[in-house]
Amino acid sequence: DGGITQSPKYLFRKEGQNVTLSCEQNLNHDAMYWYRQDPGQGLRLIYYSQIVNDFQKGDIAEGYSVSREKKESFPLTVTSAQKNPTAFYLCASTPLAGGSTDTQYFGPGTRLTVL
Amino acid sequence: AQKITQTQPGMFVQEKEAVTLDCTYDTSDPSYGLFWYKQPSSGEMIFLIYQGSYDQQNATEGRYSLNFQKARKSANLVISASQLGDSAMYFCAMREGMDSSYKLIFGSGTRLLVRP
Repeated sequence: DGGITQSPKYLFRKEGQNVTLSCEQNLNHDAMYWYRQDPGQGLRLIYYSQIVNDFQKGDIAEGYSVSREKKESFPLTVTSAQKNPTAFYLCASTPLAGGSTDTQYFGPGTRLTVL
Repeated sequence: AQKITQTQPGMFVQEKEAVTLDCTYDTSDPSYGLFWYKQPSSGEMIFLIYQGSYDQQNATEGRYSLNFQKARKSANLVISASQLGDSAMYFCAMREGMDSSYKLIFGSGTRLLVRP
């Protein structure tokens, strides 16, 4: 089945530790995105990548880092510099086929809690 | 200024009735796309419907339709014949056409509760 997988579903981290969230897609999509969602709020863009080995900061990139070494994978590292990392993290992808209807499809999300 | 505004934090609807979720947007780009997503309690974001700024007709997908009023910059989601499974958060989002990154800007969402 084609889709986007995120692991783990739940993640606990001690303060001061870096942690990496996984995002994999087998949809052959070009672009991938990371969003953060806080309780009762909408999604905010952290980082995005339109092509392998290239990525851009979104609206709230501070304290986060990403890599895009393979088309299928776009891991997000939450560093100790992120002051309030407890949140729900969603990964998305889109084909960039040039059609105006290109839709972002989302993974199931990872809920990160800092203890 | 907020680019996507959803003014209804929460809505109730009786099962089998129709409900309208409001969304207004702000952009100076003549080319843009509007999306609605559903987020059940499990957290995944499910794409529901899309409306392009140049589309002549309102988009429909099964029980979902989009009431697109371009002059008013509104893109309200209409759910007909509500079902208990429609209880969820609903997000309106916009993609501005001149931005080749295909980034989406999301509203703050509306929580819909369907009563039996």
